Amino acid sequence: AQKITQTQPGMFVQEKEAVTLDCTYDTSDQSYGLFWYKQPSSGEMIFLIYQGSYDEQNATEGRYSLNFQKARKSANLVISASQLGDSAMYFCAMREDDDKIIFGKGTRLHILP
Amino acid sequence: GAGVSQSPRYKVAKRGQDVALRCDPISGHVSLFWYQQALGQGPEFLTYFQNEAQLDKSGLPSDRFFAERPEGSVSTLKIQRTQQEDSAVYLCASSTPLFGANVLTFGAGSRLTVL
Repeated sequence: AQKITQTQPGMFVQEKEAVTLDCTYDTSDQSYGLFWYKQPSSGEMIFLIYQGSYDEQNATEGRYSLNFQKARKSANLVISASQLGDSAMYFCAMREDDDKIIFGKGTRLHILP
Repeated sequence: GAGVSQSPRYKVAKRGQDVALRCDPISGHVSLFWYQQALGQGPEFLTYFQNEAQLDKSGLPSDRFFAERPEGSVSTLKIQRTQQEDSAVYLCASSTPLFGANVLTFGAGSRLTVL
């Protein structure tokens, strides 16, 4: 069974609009962490944001925020005021108690001028 | 070095050849991960180390795949008798715990093409 589910294979968003990328996860651990990474067409993996399972506040990093809904096992990435440079693949990932980190299949985001 | 270094960046192998992919992590990083990424897909977990100990190798697709990190620093992923389905980008990442997070820093990847 998938432990990380990203249900949107592709999204098209107008420049300057906000965008939400969905991520749901499955774990029975009490202690875990959730990450989002960006992978542009160049192939590098860029860390965006982290949320620990015990963090009560939603994580924010500049234009990125993580909408963490623990009971729903949801960790959506919100990008405010999207830019053309945000066009990329986006991966949600989870670290479980054993420190293993696994990734979802990704969402390809296209920002339209 | 400042980042995670992987070599070779590109490798073309004939089916049946053995290949070795090297990863030089950030100095002092305790954890090292290997992932396999097919075109347009997410990184698939292969194995990971804490220092020299291989804690999980459940993602290695077959016994043709072998990884080691003998001194807790540089790691090598070896693929024996390569098959066409092994064609992918192999990503290495290292990390060290910081405030409970284990943020991975990735290398640029080694793209393997098996003909």
